[in-house]
Amino acid sequence: EDQVTQSPEALRLQEGESSSLNCSYTVSGLRGLFWYRQDPGKGPEFLFTLYSAGEEKEKERLKATLTKKESFLHITAPKPEDSATYLCALSNDYKLSFGAGTTVTVRA
Amino acid sequence: NAGVTQTPKFQVLKTGQSMTLQCAQDMNHNSMYWYRQDPGMGLRLIYYSASEGTTDKGEVPNGYNVSRLNKREFSLRLESAAPSQTSVYFCASGSNQPQHFGDGTRLSIL
Repeated sequence: EDQVTQSPEALRLQEGESSSLNCSYTVSGLRGLFWYRQDPGKGPEFLFTLYSAGEEKEKERLKATLTKKESFLHITAPKPEDSATYLCALSNDYKLSFGAGTTVTVRA
Repeated sequence: NAGVTQTPKFQVLKTGQSMTLQCAQDMNHNSMYWYRQDPGMGLRLIYYSASEGTTDKGEVPNGYNVSRLNKREFSLRLESAAPSQTSVYFCASGSNQPQHFGDGTRLSIL
């Protein structure tokens, strides 16, 4: 059965303090690893899709990387507006299986 | 461009009542989804529709029914609400994955 585990559950950072979020997974055949950002009271907002080990994608201060067992979301020099819950999800045909998320709080 | 629109945004029901959550998308996507989100458990798929005219069960379908009314609209019905169905419900759409989400319906069942 496909499984997705995110760590840590919560992360508190000072503005400018870079860090990484982890998404470890087990899957019989990876069809895609998705990252979303979710703000309080809102639906998830799509960030990236990664399809193969070694792939990397960037958007502003965020960079997502993928290995055969894990994906990392690196936040470089975060700002308070980067505070959100970050979700990763595994693709299986038309469906996604989500992790529980990492809540990031960036203090000014 | 509205994206994915869900109604209502909030609802309080009594145990045993029924209601329908509405979802519409204006991006001409084939696939639509219903998820529920509970604290510490992540998003769990209730039902999905890969294309107009088809629906399939997800991870937690018990107590729910769905209707893919047309390509734009996908509704979720609770026939006899139970306290365990208190949750935030999200509708999503995509070409073949749920890439666009609505802002949710917050449902409390007393």
